[in-house]
Amino acid sequence: NAGVTQTPKFRVLKTGQSMTLLCAQDMNHEYMYWYRQDPGMGLRLIHYSVGEGTTAKGEVPDGYNVSRLKKQNFLLGLESAAPSQTSVYFCASSYSRNYNSPLHFGNGTRLTVT
Amino acid sequence: AQKITQTQPGMFVQEKEAVTLDCTYDTSDPSYGLFWYKQPSSGEMIFLIYQGSYDQQNATEGRYSLNFQKARKSANLVISASQLGDSAMYFCAMREGGNNNDMRFGAGTRLTVKP
Repeated sequence: NAGVTQTPKFRVLKTGQSMTLLCAQDMNHEYMYWYRQDPGMGLRLIHYSVGEGTTAKGEVPDGYNVSRLKKQNFLLGLESAAPSQTSVYFCASSYSRNYNSPLHFGNGTRLTVT
Repeated sequence: AQKITQTQPGMFVQEKEAVTLDCTYDTSDPSYGLFWYKQPSSGEMIFLIYQGSYDQQNATEGRYSLNFQKARKSANLVISASQLGDSAMYFCAMREGGNNNDMRFGAGTRLTVKP
């Protein structure tokens, strides 16, 4: 009964380093999302995917790349980390893109860029 | 563009009392859904309750209810009989029915329940 699993839970990077966050879901959901959470700003959508092999930009995509090679996995990459990318990152999935479909979230990854 | 506003950065409530967390939204789409999520100090995002724009009755889930006032574009969360475990951040969110149906979030309200 795992739901949405994110790895790692914590990460510290130096400016300019790269990293990949992994998200896995076992609910057979077509739709997956990456959000970032910053104080006073709620959650903002970075990228999303409507199915295996597809990706699309969200509200704040700059500095990030994503890939969805398998239906159950959605990867978020930072090619050259910047201090402005210090944040908590959440992966989510949903059964549908309809307006009545809630998102199911992972537990988040806290990233610090020094 | 859709926008979600939560005007209360922080709220306090006495244990066993009811509390209302405010949320207003802005959209021109007639089809939309409103959601509330709870984020305890452990960090996970927990889905609490949903209200659709065409729903005639206010949504309820246990001690949670949504006071939906469509004309005022407000979707306030009411928590009855507050418990210490209700202390958390609460986020209001919305999805529209059109092409841009990404879920958008408000800034959140931090609720503290006092014993």
